[in-house]
Amino acid sequence: DAGITQSPRHKVTETGTPVTLRCHQTENHRYMYWYRQDPGHGLRLIHYSYGVKDTDKGEVSDGYSVSRSKTEDFLLTLESATSSQTSVYFCAIRDRALNSPLHFGNGTRLTVT
Amino acid sequence: AQTVTQSQPEMSVQEAETVTLSCTYDTSESDYYLFWYKQPPSRQMILVIRQEAYKQQNATENRFSVNFQKAAKSFSLKISDSQLGDAAMYFCAYRGESSGDKLTFGTGTRLAVRP
Repeated sequence: DAGITQSPRHKVTETGTPVTLRCHQTENHRYMYWYRQDPGHGLRLIHYSYGVKDTDKGEVSDGYSVSRSKTEDFLLTLESATSSQTSVYFCAIRDRALNSPLHFGNGTRLTVT
Repeated sequence: AQTVTQSQPEMSVQEAETVTLSCTYDTSESDYYLFWYKQPPSRQMILVIRQEAYKQQNATENRFSVNFQKAAKSFSLKISDSQLGDAAMYFCAYRGESSGDKLTFGTGTRLAVRP
């Protein structure tokens, strides 16, 4: 299995509070991604990174920010959590080859009350 | 933007039988990559199989094979000799050469396996 760890595994927070999810990899892969999974929507891309300090938005980036200060860590921040951000969040990594698949972490279940 | 459609929200198969999950996609690109992922109740996303669009031969991985029809933009997954452990959500995904950094997923098909 690809060396990718997400933390925390579960989190419950209140509306309006900031939340940071962490993704850590030991594979030295260039690309890292944050997806959210919701019933009926599959997985939707929030943000991704193609190198240290190089990030770009996905299709559902509103309300989220990311940072990548070193190769192994990719942080997802909800500046002010809302109930619509209750979801399962997945981090993924991949090698630079176009045909390389994504390797996923185990996901973080976030509940915003 | 590319879209991926999985028209079967749920499917069911008898153990040891064969089932086919459908996936279609919309693209104007000629070079792209297609993937099937499995998500069991553990929530882990597991790569099942992948296909490069420039390869005419359908990919096969043990009991899993694809029927890739490039002209029809169809990428179905066939599971032979279904096992109880195949019960999961299955997601089809697309990555185009021009949007090479991003993987677009379908909404998934939940597969139940009847003993």
